[in-house]
Amino acid sequence: GQQLNQSPQSMFIQEGEDVSMNCTSSSIFNTWLWYKQEPGEGPVLLIALYKAGELTSNGRLTAQFGITRKDSFLNISASIPSDVGIYFCAGQLYNQGGKLIFGQGTELSVKP
Amino acid sequence: EADIYQTPRYLVIGTGKKITLECSQTMGHDKMYWYQQDPGMELHLIHYSYGVNSTEKGDLSSESTVSRIRTEHFPLTLESARPSHTSQYLCASSDPTGPSGNTIYFGEGSWLTVV
Repeated sequence: GQQLNQSPQSMFIQEGEDVSMNCTSSSIFNTWLWYKQEPGEGPVLLIALYKAGELTSNGRLTAQFGITRKDSFLNISASIPSDVGIYFCAGQLYNQGGKLIFGQGTELSVKP
Repeated sequence: EADIYQTPRYLVIGTGKKITLECSQTMGHDKMYWYQQDPGMELHLIHYSYGVNSTEKGDLSSESTVSRIRTEHFPLTLESARPSHTSQYLCASSDPTGPSGNTIYFGEGSWLTVV
């Protein structure tokens, strides 16, 4: 079935560093969503992307919808300790009725 | 901020018990979903609904059942819980007014442990 490959699986960084993670697939998506999940909580939507090439920011977060529609990246600038969590990408295939496919997640640890 | 609520948040029950996980949203979203997530793993869709009286099985086979009698309510039921059902269950709904109508918002999750 369709699959999203999210990398890296985990990151250990120093406070203040920039972070980059991405998702790739062999399938074409018409929506990319990025979520953050903290322990014991549900995923919280960070950024939604709807057009190929779209670049969207939300504070220190920036995400882009790849031109090929098969990938997306999320950047976090000047990381802070509260950025800790698991970040998931999710893509929606064309004509799949809103169902999302999730990446495996990137676990981010920030050292003060 | 999404207004989607799940209860209970945490539950420990014995094998063979019947359990219903509640999910309600106050946004008037037509589309609602249930995902199952094991710790540290990705989310898997187990049920979805496009509106009242509409329910479909998701990509991951599940012994649970769902119902959608009212737009705002999408409960999930396990008739006879087993330890293999231990997991986090996440309810979600989507916004029909977005550009593609598929921005999905999640509840806080229900952690189920079957002993």
